[in-house]
Amino acid sequence: GQQVMQIPQYQHVQEGEDFTTYCNSSTTLSNIQWYKQRPGGHPVFLIQLVKSGEVKKQKRLTFQFGEAKKNSSLHITATQTTDVGTYFCGGPASGTYKYIFGTGTRLKVLA
Amino acid sequence: DGGITQSPKYLFRKEGQNVTLSCEQNLNHDAMYWYRQDPGQGLRLIYYSQIVNDFQKGDIAEGYSVSREKKESFPLTVTSAQKNPTAFYLCASSTRSGANVLTFGAGSRLTVL
Repeated sequence: GQQVMQIPQYQHVQEGEDFTTYCNSSTTLSNIQWYKQRPGGHPVFLIQLVKSGEVKKQKRLTFQFGEAKKNSSLHITATQTTDVGTYFCGGPASGTYKYIFGTGTRLKVLA
Repeated sequence: DGGITQSPKYLFRKEGQNVTLSCEQNLNHDAMYWYRQDPGQGLRLIYYSQIVNDFQKGDIAEGYSVSREKKESFPLTVTSAQKNPTAFYLCASSTRSGANVLTFGAGSRLTVL
């Protein structure tokens, strides 16, 4: 079955350092979405990438979708304490509504 | 305000008991989903439904059951057959066209004593 892996599982950074999480799917995705879950909260949508090779930016966050539509990355420049949380990637396998998520990357930012 | 309501927020049950988690949405979304979250294991899909009176098994459906009799509602029953039911359960919904972004509820935390 379809699997989505994320690395690293955990990341501790000093405030101001950069952070990157990588997402790899075993199957081609129609689109990929990124969500953020704050400690004790629920996942909240950040962004969606649809096109092969697409790059999108949200302030300090940069998202990329791979050419084969099977991998993606999220890069945060100059992390802040408000970036703390778990970041999930995921999406529906092509032609389905079966949304599969990655294992998530938990980010801790040390002030 | 439109959104997804999950209840109860916290639930305790004894081994051998069935329990039903409620999920109601007023977003007029066609598709609804149930995920289970355990520490370090991400979000695992239990069941999903694209339309009323239809649903499909996800990756970890054993020991769970669902119904979709109304567009707004997608209750999840955790049966006694689920061997390790203690977890955080998340319900989500989306449209069936366009961006298909998932909107999540606040979650229900089930603890089996």
